[in-house]
Amino acid sequence: RKEVEQDPGPFNVPEGATVAFNCTYSNSASQSFFWYRQDCRKEPKLLMSVYSSGNEDGRFTAQLNRASQYISLLIRDSKLSDSATYLCVVNVGNQGGKLIFGQGTELSVKP
Amino acid sequence: DTAVSQTPKYLVTQMGNDKSIKCEQNLGHDTMYWYKQDSKKFLKIMFSYNNKELIINETVPNRFSPKSPDKAHLNLHINSLELGDSAVYFCASSPLSVSLETQYFGPGTRLLVL
Repeated sequence: RKEVEQDPGPFNVPEGATVAFNCTYSNSASQSFFWYRQDCRKEPKLLMSVYSSGNEDGRFTAQLNRASQYISLLIRDSKLSDSATYLCVVNVGNQGGKLIFGQGTELSVKP
Repeated sequence: DTAVSQTPKYLVTQMGNDKSIKCEQNLGHDTMYWYKQDSKKFLKIMFSYNNKELIINETVPNRFSPKSPDKAHLNLHINSLELGDSAVYFCASSPLSVSLETQYFGPGTRLLVL
């Protein structure tokens, strides 16, 4: 079983749609959680951290369920510029910030 | 100003050659990392250094040798390159060696071994 699992997609949605990505992780000792975004042929960049209480940043909402070891990302009112690969990332943190990446979910927003 | 920079951006070489990739960060971070992203886009950590000391060494062939001359630099030397080494190699840095801090990635080095 992969340490961090995501649906690879692709998700093809029209502009303005709401889209949700899910992620599960296997290491119950994981300490912190993130969503990163990676554009084609670019480096990953932090989109947002994920907190147990849930957190929102504009059109983006992230949720964490530690009991189920489940992380989600909701994007409302999708824009063309949201097209990218979204990486679910877990930091097991035992030795200096070890990030474990999911394989990513590809999102394509169409006009 | 580029926060995390890597050179070269592209590297095409023959099997059996030895090559190096350089990484520098001007963020004042304590910890630096090397990641490999393969053709399936799966990003996996290889090494991590904190203040020039090796912290993480994943199951990586010993043909790969990281070197950190100071905490702002982490270079990756690869001996006897193989076809399977073709990938994108990302350097990253973070301000602390504890779990809550996020990491900042360089632009990547695209290595193609022929």
